[in-house]
Amino acid sequence: EVQLVQSGAEVKKPGESLRISCKASGYSFTAYWITWVRQLPGKGLEWMGRIDPGDSHLNYSPSFQGHVTISADQSTSTAYLQWSSLKASDSAMYFCARSSLGTTMVSPWDYWGQGTLVTVSS
Amino acid sequence: EIVLTQSPGTLSLSPGERATLSCRTSQSIRSTYLAWYQQKPGQAPRLLLYGASSRATGIPDRFSGSGSGTDFTLTISRLEPEDFAVYYCQQYGSSPRTFGQGTKVEIK
Repeated sequence: EVQLVQSGAEVKKPGESLRISCKASGYSFTAYWITWVRQLPGKGLEWMGRIDPGDSHLNYSPSFQGHVTISADQSTSTAYLQWSSLKASDSAMYFCARSSLGTTMVSPWDYWGQGTLVTVSS
Repeated sequence: EIVLTQSPGTLSLSPGERATLSCRTSQSIRSTYLAWYQQKPGQAPRLLLYGASSRATGIPDRFSGSGSGTDFTLTISRLEPEDFAVYYCQQYGSSPRTFGQGTKVEIK
């Protein structure tokens, strides 16, 4: 069974760093893109970027480029989303998701993590 | 960036009724790269349709999609109680991937 299990909720202060995780199981981790999606409180979905866990090839949305870093660890089948300096405006729910087809194909996302709530407040 | 505009913002209907949701893109896209997702409160989105009209695994046939170019439609033929949720269209053919702002289908 394909599963993406995300790390738990975080409460941080502005300026702090943070890394959240998305652990994949039930499929070949290196064969599918992992993407990250932000959802601000009460708002819609925003694509942040994606990684090919096989070769760590990255694509970022211009809206998030330079503010977050996406990475992946093949040895633990885990993808990461990290911030070096959080802002209050980063408070949101963050989802990871898997592409429905392999990394050589263009496809939507069929499996999703449960979400990680990040709260940034002084 | 391709902008997706969904209408209406909210659809108030009763169980058993037909729901028609619209998604318009700022430029023509291949229907191959248009998806619809459903999201319920406190849950992750769920893929409903891809390629504009193909149902994802396990999606009941009351959900259907159509459209081409810049105009796409999600139709729920007879609303079941579990269908009341927010629906998002998404294009995944160009970067950045973009979503519509969502249509909330609520119980009338």
